[in-house]
Amino acid sequence: DIQMTQSPSSLSASVGDRVTITCRASQSISSYLNWYQQKPGKAPKLLIYAASSLQSGVPSRFSGSGSGTEFTLTISSLLAEDFATYFCQQSDSIPYSFGQGTKLEIK
Amino acid sequence: QVQLVQSGAEVKKPGASVKVSCKTSGNTFNTYYMHWVRQAPGQGLEWMGIINPNGGSTSYAQRFQGRVTMTRDSSTGTIYMEVSSLTSEDTAVYYCATDSSGHYCFDDWGQGTLVTVSS
Repeated sequence: DIQMTQSPSSLSASVGDRVTITCRASQSISSYLNWYQQKPGKAPKLLIYAASSLQSGVPSRFSGSGSGTEFTLTISSLLAEDFATYFCQQSDSIPYSFGQGTKLEIK
Repeated sequence: QVQLVQSGAEVKKPGASVKVSCKTSGNTFNTYYMHWVRQAPGQGLEWMGIINPNGGSTSYAQRFQGRVTMTRDSSTGTIYMEVSSLTSEDTAVYYCATDSSGHYCFDDWGQGTLVTVSS
């Protein structure tokens, strides 16, 4: 099974900051990597699919990059609404697996 | 976009079973594979398995083999997930999700169903 490891597990930042979250896979997953945002009490929301493709309706301040085993999610300039928990997920092979999450908090 | 509507919250005793439903909208039922993902309180997301509504074939995560059953009812456009031999560690929000875009991602989610296991 493929293990996904996110870092950091939590992050404090201010409105306007640029932040980057990293996700590493235990083996190559090509570009089968997705990013989700989750707010308390809500279902996850897809932000980025296939490592770098922006889901329709998601603001362009979100971007993703990487391939193989190392991936990043970048938020170019934080807005208040971006404070949430972010998860990566691999869809290269079943069983699909998620990173443990990164909680983005207001500094 | 696919609308997924799940059944309501459940409270079960240890050792019991629970069956959660997920109803799809429109005429898309046989088109997209459906997944189940769960999230224990304050924890991360855990993929449980997948069902092909067109035929009913399934694949489960190893840790749920023998304890989870995913089925579908084509006549109502509904998929089901049953978890047996519940323990307190099964207390979680259970989500159905689908890849309606074909991009190997979960782009549509149900609202979640809280299952609480308590004596």
